[in-house]
Amino acid sequence: GAGVSQSPSNKVTEKGKDVELRCDPISGHTALYWYRQSLGQGLEFLIYFQGNSAPDKSGLPSDRFSAERTGGSVSTLTIQRTQQEDSAVYLCASSPTGFPGNTIYFGEGSWLTVV
Amino acid sequence: SQQGEEDPQALSIQEGENATMNCSYKTSINNLQWYRQNSGRGLVHLILIRSNEREKHSGRLRVTLDTSKKSSSLLITASRAADTASYFCATRLGAGNTPLVFGKGTRLSVIA
Repeated sequence: GAGVSQSPSNKVTEKGKDVELRCDPISGHTALYWYRQSLGQGLEFLIYFQGNSAPDKSGLPSDRFSAERTGGSVSTLTIQRTQQEDSAVYLCASSPTGFPGNTIYFGEGSWLTVV
Repeated sequence: SQQGEEDPQALSIQEGENATMNCSYKTSINNLQWYRQNSGRGLVHLILIRSNEREKHSGRLRVTLDTSKKSSSLLITASRAADTASYFCATRLGAGNTPLVFGKGTRLSVIA
């Protein structure tokens, strides 16, 4: 696609339910990132996929969070047993490679509200 | 984990004035990037400065980098109301293929 696409754009879920957030990166981009941004805060790195390498999961806040990337393209971030503190915007980004000089391109985010 | 820290956290100026935002980081870097975020939306890349560069310009933007002080600044000249946004610096956590991490951002308000 022309840009990074995320879905859903908004999600309201009950505490304790599982949610899945989807990211379609720009076609051909091998690097994919997930970030979380709480209201008025900076971006918190969650997970990073680069090609066929093992993902960097160092930013995942707990074992309730997981992500996968199928076929080197679409990625799904799953949050199990959601808690109210999980409420945030989840931003996905992609870049052509993981090369340090690459710009990364962001989607518009998925707004998650846990009630 | 956070690598960059922007300063100030918030800045309010009149249209036409210059806005300066600073970023400090902790580890050695290959390059440093600045991004802009309009309220509640995805970030947009503004400019990248490499570790061997001291200053870079792009339109009304001027970025400086001082690797000895591990700091960078973003200057927006002749600000406009449309420049109202949050601005973030971003660096890699380490050398090579490492993720890009962002500071907490500076919220800029330009008053017409």
